[in-house]
Amino acid sequence: DTAVSQTPKYLVTQMGNDKSIKCEQNLGHDTMYWYKQDSKKFLKIMFSYNNKELIINETVPNRFSPKSPDKAHLNLHINSLELGDSAVYFCASSNSGTDYGYTFGSGTRLTVV
Amino acid sequence: GNSVTQMEGPVTLSEEAFLTINCTYTATGYPSLFWYVQYPGEGLQLLLKATKADDKGSNKGFEATYRKETTSFHLEKGSVQVSDSAVYFCALSLRAGNNRKLIWGLGTSLAVNP
Repeated sequence: DTAVSQTPKYLVTQMGNDKSIKCEQNLGHDTMYWYKQDSKKFLKIMFSYNNKELIINETVPNRFSPKSPDKAHLNLHINSLELGDSAVYFCASSNSGTDYGYTFGSGTRLTVV
Repeated sequence: GNSVTQMEGPVTLSEEAFLTINCTYTATGYPSLFWYVQYPGEGLQLLLKATKADDKGSNKGFEATYRKETTSFHLEKGSVQVSDSAVYFCALSLRAGNNRKLIWGLGTSLAVNP
């Protein structure tokens, strides 16, 4: 029973392609996040959705577009992939207003060649 | 502004050594404090937390005490094992409207040698 599941786990693609990463949580949380982790392990928040509504949209290129069809899913679509997009992308979820912490997925390692 | 500062890694220890990873913070208001651990090839997992001053969080032999007077939340373990090799992240949580926002430290890599 995976709590936060992301697919795919690995993604290798060429520059200029468009790709999507999917995330689903079965914890009943109302908030979901996308993070980018670079090779130095630095974590950067990209987006946050609360009950399907965008609440955090950090400085991220327009090529990145999140979509939340319902509060259990938050997908990330990336257009015109660039070499600098290579990183590990993590999905996470939490309950807003509580301090029980975040639950993370196992990550998607994206390699752009 | 709000921020978290962790000691830089990598930290390399021998098995059964004592571990301290320093974490200090600046924050407006009254944050909750967390330590997360990321094992190789995995996502982050909540290790322990403390929600108010003088609280002590503990899990898997790790401890951290919320020290408001020194704005610190140092992670300690009395005897590390090879399996503790991971990256450790300190974070604080602040209320932002109806939600809470996490501010992350840069992470400290720990390698434990047998």
